[in-house]
Amino acid sequence: QVQLVQSGGGVVQPGGSLRLSCVASGFNFRIYGMHWVRQAPGKGLEWVAFTRYDGSDKSYGDSVKGRFTISRDNSKNTLFLQMNNLRAGDTAVYYCASNGESFYDQYFKHWGQGTLVTVSS
Amino acid sequence: EIVLTQSPGTLSLSPGERATLFCRASQRVRSSYLAWYQQKPGQAPRLLIYGASNRATGIPDRFSGTESGTDFTLTISRLEPEDFAVYHCQQYGTSPWTFGQGTKVEIK
Repeated sequence: QVQLVQSGGGVVQPGGSLRLSCVASGFNFRIYGMHWVRQAPGKGLEWVAFTRYDGSDKSYGDSVKGRFTISRDNSKNTLFLQMNNLRAGDTAVYYCASNGESFYDQYFKHWGQGTLVTVSS
Repeated sequence: EIVLTQSPGTLSLSPGERATLFCRASQRVRSSYLAWYQQKPGQAPRLLIYGASNRATGIPDRFSGTESGTDFTLTISRLEPEDFAVYHCQQYGTSPWTFGQGTKVEIK
């Protein structure tokens, strides 16, 4: 059974930093691309970042480029999102999600439970 | 970026009825790379359809997806009580991957 278990959310002041984690089990994590997707309160979904299965290729949404960094540790089946210089507009539930079967299948097959990040003074 | 517009915003139907949800792309979606997700309150989204018409593993066959040019449709043939939720479309043909704003299917 596939599981993506997230941790690391919380309340942070504007300009602060936070790191999210996502531990995978039940599938071969090291051969799948992984994403972060977020959802502001009462709003729709927004893709945030992607990393290829081996971390060799990464991409970001324009709203987080230069501030967020996606990474992974395949030896620990763990995905990370380092978020720096946080803004009020980054307040959202953040989800990790696995990629489809191939690199080009950039849909979100399995999802974590979500973790709330609140940026507020 | 490709803008996806979902309609209607809210669909009020009774169990057993047919639901038809629309997702229009601002430009052609490469290789039919469009997915649909279901999301219930307080839960993560769940993948229903990928490649415009392929059901994900474990998804009942009352869910189906079609494509016509830049218009995509998700049909639920007969609504079950557990189908009342918000549905999102997403394109993954052109980066950045984008979502529609969602359609809420509520009990009439």
